[in-house]
Amino acid sequence: GQQVMQIPQYQHVQEGEDFTTYCNSSTTLSNIQWYKQRPGGHPVFLIQLVKSGEVKKQKRLTFQFGEAKKNSSLHITATQTTDVGTYFCAVSWANNLFFGTGTRLTVIP
Amino acid sequence: DGGITQSPKYLFRKEGQNVTLSCEQNLNHDAMYWYRQDPGQGLRLIYYSQIVNDFQKGDIAEGYSVSREKKESFPLTVTSAQKNPTAFYLCATTPGQGRLETQYFGPGTRLLVL
Repeated sequence: GQQVMQIPQYQHVQEGEDFTTYCNSSTTLSNIQWYKQRPGGHPVFLIQLVKSGEVKKQKRLTFQFGEAKKNSSLHITATQTTDVGTYFCAVSWANNLFFGTGTRLTVIP
Repeated sequence: DGGITQSPKYLFRKEGQNVTLSCEQNLNHDAMYWYRQDPGQGLRLIYYSQIVNDFQKGDIAEGYSVSREKKESFPLTVTSAQKNPTAFYLCATTPGQGRLETQYFGPGTRLLVL
């Protein structure tokens, strides 16, 4: 079956530092989605990547899809306290959607 | 996601009891999904329904049952056969029937078995 590994599991950063989470798959993916879940909240869709090597930006967030379509990253520049939460990737494979285990980001003011 | 409501927000259940979690949507989305979230884990699919009166098992359907009698509603029953039901339950929808579409999540129900 599909294996989706997300690293790191936890990340603590000082406000203003950068943050990156990685999503790795054992197989070539159709596409990948990223979601953010605030503490006590529910996942909210951020973006979808489809093309090999694709890079998309949303303000301080940069999303990248690997050339081989087996991995992806989410990078946040100059973190703010509003960035706290758990970031999940969700990969599409064999007409199924598989969620990663998430990276929990803590931002220290 | 403002168009998806889940009730109750918190639910306590005694061991051996069945309990039903509600999920209602006014987005006119075709498909609805139930996920379970445990601490430190990703979302795991319980059941999904792409059209009314039809539903499919997900990865962890054992101990759960669903119905889809109306497009707007997709209730989940956690039966006494579910051995470890304490978890955060999330209902989601997609505009079309495709499972790979963007998922819109409701606020969730936290179930605690006493």
